[in-house]
Amino acid sequence: EPEVTQTPSHQVTQMGQEVILRCVPISNHLYFYWYRQILGQKVEFLVSFYNNEISEKSEIFDDQFSVERPDGSNFTLKIRSTKLEDSAMYFCASIRDNEKLFFGSGTQLSVL
Amino acid sequence: KQEVTQIPAALSVPEGENLVLNCSFTDSAIYNLQWFRQDPGKGLTSLLLIQSSQREQTSGRLNASLDKSSGRSTLYIAASQPGDSATYLCAVRPWTGANNLFFGTGTRLTVIP
Repeated sequence: EPEVTQTPSHQVTQMGQEVILRCVPISNHLYFYWYRQILGQKVEFLVSFYNNEISEKSEIFDDQFSVERPDGSNFTLKIRSTKLEDSAMYFCASIRDNEKLFFGSGTQLSVL
Repeated sequence: KQEVTQIPAALSVPEGENLVLNCSFTDSAIYNLQWFRQDPGKGLTSLLLIQSSQREQTSGRLNASLDKSSGRSTLYIAASQPGDSATYLCAVRPWTGANNLFFGTGTRLTVIP
């Protein structure tokens, strides 16, 4: 079965540093998402991306966050200046249309 | 804002038992509801998707029901196995907006051999 691939699986960074989380969505999917899960809390929506632009974003997705689809396969989430509270598991997801959402296995981000 | 609640937070059952996981949501204007499975340190695997016009969906030993008017869904697992041990999450997609999902906190299921 096709998969959403995320790299790296773990990322450790110092507070204030920039990080880029990478995702390769399923090839024929059209909608792409980032979600995050802080330890012990709910999975939270961050942003959705369609047709090379953001279609919706949550309150969490402030100016420190950005997304990009630099080529036909990759989808990235950049955090410009990380804070301690950005520590979480970040999930990428994709969907073709109104079907099941496919999630990647996540990137565990630890901000020290 | 949509709030999704799952009860119980944790459940431990002996192998072979049938069980029901519950999910409730505050806003009945949903497009669909999904049940996911999450293994420790792993991603989410979609188990079942129920559209708002549907009442239930079945896949193997899993059956999910939806009562949109009362804001409830259940996931029924028949003849539980140790391999079913995981956290089960329900998530609703609101009627409006992009395909963003609102997740519950999950039920951590342990099936004892």
